Amino acid sequence: AQSVTQPDIHITVSEGASLELRCNYSYGATPYLFWYVQSPGQGLQLLLKYFSGDTLVQGIKGFEAEFKRSQSSFNLRKPSVHWSDAAEYFCAVGVNAGNMLTFGGGTRLMVKP
Amino acid sequence: NAGVTQTPKFRVLKTGQSMTLLCAQDMNHEYMYWYRQDPGMGLRLIHYSVGEGTTAKGEVPDGYNVSRLKKQNFLLGLESAAPSQTSVYFCASKWGRGPSGANVLTFGAGSRLTVL
Repeated sequence: AQSVTQPDIHITVSEGASLELRCNYSYGATPYLFWYVQSPGQGLQLLLKYFSGDTLVQGIKGFEAEFKRSQSSFNLRKPSVHWSDAAEYFCAVGVNAGNMLTFGGGTRLMVKP
Repeated sequence: NAGVTQTPKFRVLKTGQSMTLLCAQDMNHEYMYWYRQDPGMGLRLIHYSVGEGTTAKGEVPDGYNVSRLKKQNFLLGLESAAPSQTSVYFCASKWGRGPSGANVLTFGAGSRLTVL
């Protein structure tokens, strides 16, 4: 069965600093990979996705993620964090041709002024 | 364009009571999903539907039932609520089968359920 691990439950960074959120997945076939962001009291918003092709994908709000098949990873990065990026971030793997998503446990990002 | 709308947003139940959560989407999406979100566990799939009149079990279906009588609505029912069902419930929908640039999940804002 597929699984997604986000090793960091909480991360705190200073505003303007760079950010990397880790995501490791386990899935036997070609993965479809997603990052979602959830602001307090809100639903989930898609940041970016990887289906195939270029392993570095660009998303909204200045985020990017890199798919590394050899490491079974899909880490999310941002070069300079803004206070508005404080939220919870979820990595997900899509199975059954992307029709079913399995989510990681989430990483809560806090941004220091 | 409302997207995915969930009602109610908040509800408090006593153990043993029943209730129904309603999810409505106005995007003519075929696929609809119910997830529950619990701290540290991410989102877990309860049930899903691949079209009007169809439903299927997800990862954690026990204690829940669903119905998809109309394409735009997906109902989640709790027949006899238990404290373990205290959670935030999210509905999501997408256009159809298979990945493509636009064929991704759209989520509702969530329904917070507390069972005492």
